[in-house]
Amino acid sequence: AAGVIQSPRHLIKEKRETATLKCYPIPRHDTVYWYQQGPGQDPQFLISFYEKMQSDKGSIPDRFSAQQFSDYHSELNMSSLELGDSALYFCASSLGESAGVVETQYFGPGTRLLVL
Amino acid sequence: GESVGLHLPTLSVQEGDNSIINCAYSNSASDYFIWYKQESGKGPQFIIDIRSNMDKRQGQRVTVLLNKTVKHLSLQIAATQPGDSAVYFCAEKRGNTGFQKLVFGTGTRLLVSP
Repeated sequence: AAGVIQSPRHLIKEKRETATLKCYPIPRHDTVYWYQQGPGQDPQFLISFYEKMQSDKGSIPDRFSAQQFSDYHSELNMSSLELGDSALYFCASSLGESAGVVETQYFGPGTRLLVL
Repeated sequence: GESVGLHLPTLSVQEGDNSIINCAYSNSASDYFIWYKQESGKGPQFIIDIRSNMDKRQGQRVTVLLNKTVKHLSLQIAATQPGDSAVYFCAEKRGNTGFQKLVFGTGTRLLVSP
């Protein structure tokens, strides 16, 4: 079965540079979530989108922005990169939830970002 | 190599043993819980979920138990295999509205010896 696709898988940037991470959800999934996982830590929620609109926001720095496009893929844009931004960035997708129905989030393989 | 999980609690078992991984949650409003398995270099993989109106749910070789009184969740893996070696996270979803984020607990590294 098709899974969540993320690109690139690995990215090396210098401090103060910008980075763009891409996420392609499972076909027919209209909701995407972004998570950041630092070394030895649990994934932390950043932001989510449903039908191209932001649906929830977590601990996402102001230097980061994201959007969801008409084909439901999403991009996470990161500017003025700092050393502390080095982490694994996961995208997850799900079907849109209706009242009383919880949809499972399926995770992509992640993008490993290293900021030097 | 993969650096995720270096400082996580670790459970070491022998192949064939049953494993029990525990998780405590803090928000009594959480109504949906999920266990994810994360292998080195991969994203979290869904294992099993349970809603707050249940106290037990079984899957293939896995059972999740929910004790709402003490806000405790456990994952039981029967006949543990070397392929079960990974970091296991519990996650909770809060609220009754849609699109709620997952809040992950501290992972547990499971090491299975042949």
